Formats: sequence, C-alpha cells, structure tokens
Amino acid sequence: SQQGEEDPQALSIQEGENATMNCSYKTSINNLQWYRQNSGRGLVHLILIRSNEREKHSGRLRVTLDTSKKSSSLLITASRAADTASYFCATGKNSGYSTLTFGKGTMLLVSP
Amino acid sequence: GAGVSQSPRYKVAKRGQDVALRCDPISGHVSLFWYQQALGQGPEFLTYFQNEAQLDKSGLPSDRFFAERPEGSVSTLKIQRTQQEDSAVYLCASSLSTGDSYEQYFGPGTRLTVT
Repeated sequence: SQQGEEDPQALSIQEGENATMNCSYKTSINNLQWYRQNSGRGLVHLILIRSNEREKHSGRLRVTLDTSKKSSSLLITASRAADTASYFCATGKNSGYSTLTFGKGTMLLVSP
Repeated sequence: GAGVSQSPRYKVAKRGQDVALRCDPISGHVSLFWYQQALGQGPEFLTYFQNEAQLDKSGLPSDRFFAERPEGSVSTLKIQRTQQEDSAVYLCASSLSTGDSYEQYFGPGTRLTVT
C-alpha cells in the first residue's frame, strides 16, 4: 500500500521556472526522503529530512516538513530540462532499519 | 565505484514459468531491499536482508515469491508459477548499514513481463 500521496500528479513548466511538489503521508515517521526517477539514471536519492527538522536545502532543492500536517514539499528552483523525471516522496518506518514506503509520484516535464 | 547491478534487465515469461532475478549490491553494503514497481506507481517494499538474514518479508505478495542472500552479498528474488499480475519492474537497493538514515542506492531494475 502507498503511504504518501504526491500532488500534483503531473507538472509541466518552462526552463528557469520553479517547480513545487507536495507529499502527504498517513502515519508517524522517522524521516522523509525524496527520490527522482528517470529512464536514464533509475531511482536516485535526492534529500532526506528527519522528523525533527523543518527545512533542508541541497543545491537547487529545498524540502520542508510539517509533521503536524503530515506533509512535505519539494521545491526545485531554476529548473532545467534535465530535471524532467518522476519525483517520489518516501517515508521510513519507525524501526531499526528503513523499509521505504513510496508515494505514487509527480511527473515533472521541464521544457526548454 | 560500481553501483547496484541487476540482471537480467528485461525478462519475458509465459504464465506459469518460474523466474529468478539477480541483484549485486554495492560491495560492503549490509542492507539489501527488494521493491516491486507497477506501471505508473511508486515502488512497493517486498523484503529486507541484513547481511544474509532475511529480517522482513512482510511485503512479499504471495508464497510464490521467495528471496535469498546466502552469503550476505548477491541476492536472488525467485517467483514461481508467474502470473500476469506479477508483471512489474523489480528494484533492488542496498545501503551501507542498518538504521533509517542511510541512503538507499537503487539498481536499474528488472522489467518482468508475464504473457
């Protein structure tokens, strides 16, 4: 079963614009991660935010986490055509190891 | 260094056939995960190994699915008597250690089509 739900399901923007994707989840978490998947490079880890963190940055990526609303957002600034991919949020269980529960993903298309 | 590799990349099986999917994790990675990804969906957890021990197989959809990692490195996911609903991409991931703050590195996946 899917834990997270990404919103929107699909997003189409022009190069240079910002892209924002949202994720909602259902149960308590230790951390939330964002992954990118495209046909060229498969599924790649982007960023991890822990449940006691509210915001995290990595290059052009900014992730926020609101545990009271059980939601997270991923912002990609100054998007590039190479950012075209599906983006998934994934939550880790409260356990000694992390089996990830993924959402259905947001498909992002960045046009030149 | 080398990432996670999986073989075969594509597999077509007739309904009822058995298949075996191989995963070579990153050398030295303790944790190994298998996920199943249906078309248009996110990956779903199947099973987890810590070294050679299978600690969690709660995601395996039926007793036709079996996974092993006998020497704590290479893992094989076996599906017996394949059904059409088994058609999916099977992803393997490894991480350096246990604990939930370690990044999982994914392989390219095996696309299984059952006809």
